[in-house]
Amino acid sequence: DAGITQSPRYKITETGRQVTLMCHQTWSHSYMFWYRQDLGHGLRLIYYSAAADITDKGEVPDGYVVSRSKTENFPLTLESATRSQTSVYFCASSVGHQPQHFGDGTRLSIL
Amino acid sequence: GQQVMQIPQYQHVQEGEDFTTYCNSSTTLSNIQWYKQRPGGHPVFLIQLVKSGEVKKQKRLTFQFGEAKKNSSLHITATQTTDVGTYFCAGPLKGSGNTGKLIFGQGTTLQVKP
Repeated sequence: DAGITQSPRYKITETGRQVTLMCHQTWSHSYMFWYRQDLGHGLRLIYYSAAADITDKGEVPDGYVVSRSKTENFPLTLESATRSQTSVYFCASSVGHQPQHFGDGTRLSIL
Repeated sequence: GQQVMQIPQYQHVQEGEDFTTYCNSSTTLSNIQWYKQRPGGHPVFLIQLVKSGEVKKQKRLTFQFGEAKKNSSLHITATQTTDVGTYFCAGPLKGSGNTGKLIFGQGTTLQVKP
């Protein structure tokens, strides 16, 4: 879906570094989500946002920070990256309980 | 806590064979959604089921929602190589209201041998 874009697509960094993953959507969807995908765990919700300046924790929020100053952007920051945060990260957006639209993902490796 | 389980985790079939994946929730769901993720891709919405006992078809794909709204299944008739991917079911996170927060199953990865 061209309406939601994630950057970067791939990122390699070292433990202890701060990393920010970007997510931008052009649909003006009110709801946005961050997931991580790991083998055997499916998709796990990290954080979600119901609107600009409204965010809430998901299932696995520890070590992550989000902000949403504008409706279209929902960046995810790893304040001090750890190897356990190596994963594929997906951003998604939706209109309330309607189906979610996912970005292409960011593959993050932490050495 | 709330859980959504899918079985099997992996399935290898010969092209032309049928395939079924099952989704079981620990709680009653108001609706269930199915997504498909191609290898290296992102999840793409397939369908949403809302009513108890509902059955919906999309060409060779048949989706069912159980009478108790705690389980669902996806059946593919006569698989093709284009069906390769991971199929996820997802339901509303308990207590999340209309926020759209979902809990996903672990997915079933389908491999199709040509």
